[in-house]
Amino acid sequence: SQQGEEDPQALSIQEGENATMNCSYKTSINNLQWYRQNSGRGLVHLILIRSNEREKHSGRLRVTLDTSKKSSSLLITASRAADTASYFCATDRDRDDKIIFGKGTRLHILP
Amino acid sequence: SQTIHQWPATLVQPVGSPLSLECTVEGTSNPNLYWYRQAAGRGLQLLFYSIGIDQISSEVPQNLSASRPQDRQFILSSKKLLLSDSGFYLCAWSPRWGSSYEQYFGPGTRLTVT
Repeated sequence: SQQGEEDPQALSIQEGENATMNCSYKTSINNLQWYRQNSGRGLVHLILIRSNEREKHSGRLRVTLDTSKKSSSLLITASRAADTASYFCATDRDRDDKIIFGKGTRLHILP
Repeated sequence: SQTIHQWPATLVQPVGSPLSLECTVEGTSNPNLYWYRQAAGRGLQLLFYSIGIDQISSEVPQNLSASRPQDRQFILSSKKLLLSDSGFYLCAWSPRWGSSYEQYFGPGTRLTVT
């Protein structure tokens, strides 16, 4: 089954720096999503990029998608302490209404 | 606007006891509903999926069951809990129609089986 795998598993950066997380998947997709999860909370949808899109922006977030490499990246610019969270990519599955989540990247913003 | 509620927020139950977790959605009709389990430091495992009242799909064989007695109510149950049922349980919904698959999550229930 197709599944996103995030890389790195954990990332610590200084506040103000940019954070980049990557996601690789195995089979073709219709869209790819990124979610954020603060510790002990539910997931929050950040952005969805469709297979015919290469780049998408939302505030300080920039997502790219390379379908030839079956990979996506999430860039958070000018990181803040509040960005400390786990970030998950999720890919659609077999054209139904289910999505498959990766194991996530734990991002820690150092003050 | 749509909101999703889960309760309880935390639960400690002994092995062999029953379980009932509830999830309700407000502000939308005919949602797709999902139950996920998240082990510590791990990704999400889809447990159950529902496209309508009494229409439940199970993703993995396990000690749990789900029911959807009303359009916006989704219940996760067990007759006898196992230690391995411990985890963080998340309910989510997505719009029934449309070409996107964005899901919206509840706050979760932390279950500890002792």
